[in-house]
Amino acid sequence: GIQVEQSPPDLILQEGANSTLRCNFSDSVNNLQWFHQNPWGQLINLFYIPSGTKQNGRLSATTVATERYSLLYISSSQTTDSGVYFCAPGGGGSQGNLIFGKGTKLSVKP
Amino acid sequence: EAGVVQSPRYKIIEKKQPVAFWCNPISGHNTLYWYRQNLGQGPELLIRYENEEAVDDSQLPKDRFSAERLKGVDSTLKIQPAELGDSAVYLCASSFLYEQYFGPGTRLTVT
Repeated sequence: GIQVEQSPPDLILQEGANSTLRCNFSDSVNNLQWFHQNPWGQLINLFYIPSGTKQNGRLSATTVATERYSLLYISSSQTTDSGVYFCAPGGGGSQGNLIFGKGTKLSVKP
Repeated sequence: EAGVVQSPRYKIIEKKQPVAFWCNPISGHNTLYWYRQNLGQGPELLIRYENEEAVDDSQLPKDRFSAERLKGVDSTLKIQPAELGDSAVYLCASSFLYEQYFGPGTRLTVT
């Protein structure tokens, strides 16, 4: 199955800083989502991005499917951005099945 | 539009007891997923339904876990009997095409 590696595993930022989270995956995919899991455990959809670039406010994401990686950019971070960010690609025979990485735990300090 | 609804939100049971979780997906989403998330890990798929058919249950521990999705809408996941290692958050998700939306989860503690 697809192997997913996210980096860095932990990240501490001062409010207002920018950051880049990376997701490497081991096989071709036709589905990839980024999620934010808030401190209450809710998984919030950030992007559905199997390829290309998307932006939503302070967040943007880029997936280069041919090179098997995706990046999540957070600009002007806020304390409410704290939580765990998961990358979840999917594909192959079970196209609906997402494979989650271990996540990047982000802490934004005021 | 209402999101994915799950209940209960929290459940504490003793080992060897049965437990059931309920999920109501987003209206119109024909695909429903159950995931389990252990502490410090990402969610892992247990079972996927397309309408009322379980199309992928390869990761479901069938000796103690069962699931059903009658009429292709609501779904129930059951554990009987529960073991200490089943303590986790059980998440339900639904999708119309590929993009999945998650419910708030049920946090299960087995003592």
